[in-house]
Amino acid sequence: DAGITQSPRYKITETGRQVTLMCHQTWSHSYMFWYRQDLGHGLRLIYYSAAADITDKGEVPDGYVVSRSKTENFPLTLESATRSQTSVYFCASSESWTGRGYGYTFGSGTRLTVV
Amino acid sequence: QQQVKQSPQSLIVQKGGISIINCAYENTAFDYFPWYQQFPGKGPALLIAIRPDVSEKKEGRFTISFNKSAKQFSLHIMDSQPGDSATYFCAASMNSNSGYALNFGKGTSLLVTP
Repeated sequence: DAGITQSPRYKITETGRQVTLMCHQTWSHSYMFWYRQDLGHGLRLIYYSAAADITDKGEVPDGYVVSRSKTENFPLTLESATRSQTSVYFCASSESWTGRGYGYTFGSGTRLTVV
Repeated sequence: QQQVKQSPQSLIVQKGGISIINCAYENTAFDYFPWYQQFPGKGPALLIAIRPDVSEKKEGRFTISFNKSAKQFSLHIMDSQPGDSATYFCAASMNSNSGYALNFGKGTSLLVTP
């Protein structure tokens, strides 16, 4: 199926462990994004990527690392998980103007709990 | 450094009523203002969007009103239905190195009662 897929859907990890959240899109969209969603904060941009091998920081990048070796994949790694990183993480991809808006499509999210 | 301020935080409307959610922004370089709808357990989905060259955009029961001089925009949901119960996010964006990375408001939880 075409779309944007995040895995895992749910993850529990321990403080200090490294964890990687996966994101895969089938449209070959140039832009991809990682957001985190927390109560009272809405969605905040962690990292974005304009193309393969081009990534840059968003509003809240500390403690996260991204890579994009292929256009379709944009994994997010928490190098040493902390409890403050407990959140719901959304990956999104974007195409050019479609007439209704920029074709910004979100995945279904990964709920990460750090204990 | 919340770039988009959204109100109210929560809203209860009776079926058939009008739901109104407001947003304000500071950065005059923003030139794209979408609204997203999110149901529990799902990712946000684009509902309707506007660019600042028009003051209003309507799609079915959903209307965006845009006031460029006041740096405010709002979402109106006419004839609200229980199926509209969801969290709504306004956002603002501009073309930059990040493409059109979205700056979101904190969200409004809408409940439409039967």
